[in-house]
Amino acid sequence: AQKITQTQPGMFVQEKEAVTLDCTYDTSDPSYGLFWYKQPSSGEMIFLIYQGSYDQQNATEGRYSLNFQKARKSANLVISASQLGDSAMYFCAMRVLWGNTDKLIFGTGTRLQVFP
Amino acid sequence: DAGVIQSPRHEVTEMGQEVTLRCKPISGHDYLFWYRQTMMRGLELLIYFNNNVPIDDSGMPEDRFSAKMPNASFSTLKIQPSEPRDSAVYFCASRRKQTNYGYTFGSGTRLTVV
Repeated sequence: AQKITQTQPGMFVQEKEAVTLDCTYDTSDPSYGLFWYKQPSSGEMIFLIYQGSYDQQNATEGRYSLNFQKARKSANLVISASQLGDSAMYFCAMRVLWGNTDKLIFGTGTRLQVFP
Repeated sequence: DAGVIQSPRHEVTEMGQEVTLRCKPISGHDYLFWYRQTMMRGLELLIYFNNNVPIDDSGMPEDRFSAKMPNASFSTLKIQPSEPRDSAVYFCASRRKQTNYGYTFGSGTRLTVV
């Protein structure tokens, strides 16, 4: 069964430091996509970064990078030079394609708090 | 690009009342998804449409929930009758067929049933 696991309910990081948010996934499909979304306290879901299962290089988007380790089935999000505005919930998600199903399944999220 | 637009942002209703949530997807997006977010169950897919046709409604909790997409620019999620356990944030998202990623979410509707 497809599943996303985020084992860190909460993380703290000091401003300007780097932080890694963990995500592991389970799927038997050879083709899949992995996503990270940010949900600030205002509630909207903001797309951060995407990694395809066949992508040879780790995805990067500005201060965000995805540490994709296919053999370990992990897709950790690395935020460099943390800012106070990075404080939010972060969700890892995987695109599932099976039969009629085409959907994102989400992990339980990690609450990141950046302190000065 | 105005993004995915949901209305209302907040809804408070009494148990037993009908509730209608609305969504306008991004123009040109072929897929539309309705998700529900609760503390207990996290984010879960309720239903999705492709070219206005419902494809997978296996996540719809029960017959009290219904969703329609009468045209490419509008979708509704209706709960009738509403119950306190329906209290949640409901998100609409859309995606263009040609892309594997690019799921864009609306700002959500926070529903409280008292």
